[in-house]
Amino acid sequence: AQSVTQPDIHITVSEGASLELRCNYSYGATPYLFWYVQSPGQGLQLLLKYFSGDTLVQGIKGFEAEFKRSQSSFNLRKPSVHWSDAAEYFCAVAVRRALTFGSGTRLQVQP
Amino acid sequence: DTAVSQTPKYLVTQMGNDKSIKCEQNLGHDTMYWYKQDSKKFLKIMFSYNNKELIINETVPNRFSPKSPDKAHLNLHINSLELGDSAVYFCASSQDMGFGLAGWNTGELFFGEGSRLTVL
Repeated sequence: AQSVTQPDIHITVSEGASLELRCNYSYGATPYLFWYVQSPGQGLQLLLKYFSGDTLVQGIKGFEAEFKRSQSSFNLRKPSVHWSDAAEYFCAVAVRRALTFGSGTRLQVQP
Repeated sequence: DTAVSQTPKYLVTQMGNDKSIKCEQNLGHDTMYWYKQDSKKFLKIMFSYNNKELIINETVPNRFSPKSPDKAHLNLHINSLELGDSAVYFCASSQDMGFGLAGWNTGELFFGEGSRLTVL
């Protein structure tokens, strides 16, 4: 079945450090891939999406992600993390006219 | 002007009661969804409607009944509430991108702020 896996449940980084959140997908065809962020008590906000074309996609808040078909990955990166980036991050794939989400990665930012 | 709004934001009720959550979107999207987020933050699709027609109905107890009076509204009614129904319920909407080589192409989802249901 089509799915996404986020191997890291919880990540802690220092403010100003770089960040990479991992996402692996299982999908037979070319996937539509998304990264969402959820701040405490809030809904989900789209950070970026990949449909086709350039495999490096830029998103909001300084985030980017790279689609690697050979590795079935769509990892999220940010060169310098800010304290306000502390949140839950979800990778998702479009499956059967809906999005299937990974289990999420909680990002904690240390001062 | 909120794109996807759902009410109420918080709902505390007793086991066995019936409750409803309402959702409205002003984005002109064709498709609306209900997702359930459990205490471990796992998000699971429950239902999806496209132009008032039910297109996704996951393995959900039939105590849950969605209703879409028009394509801008999707409500969720829950009968005989159980402790395990406690969760955050998210409404979302999207604009379908048509049928491609890999099947239907779902555009990005726009989410409401969630309705936290607590069953005592």
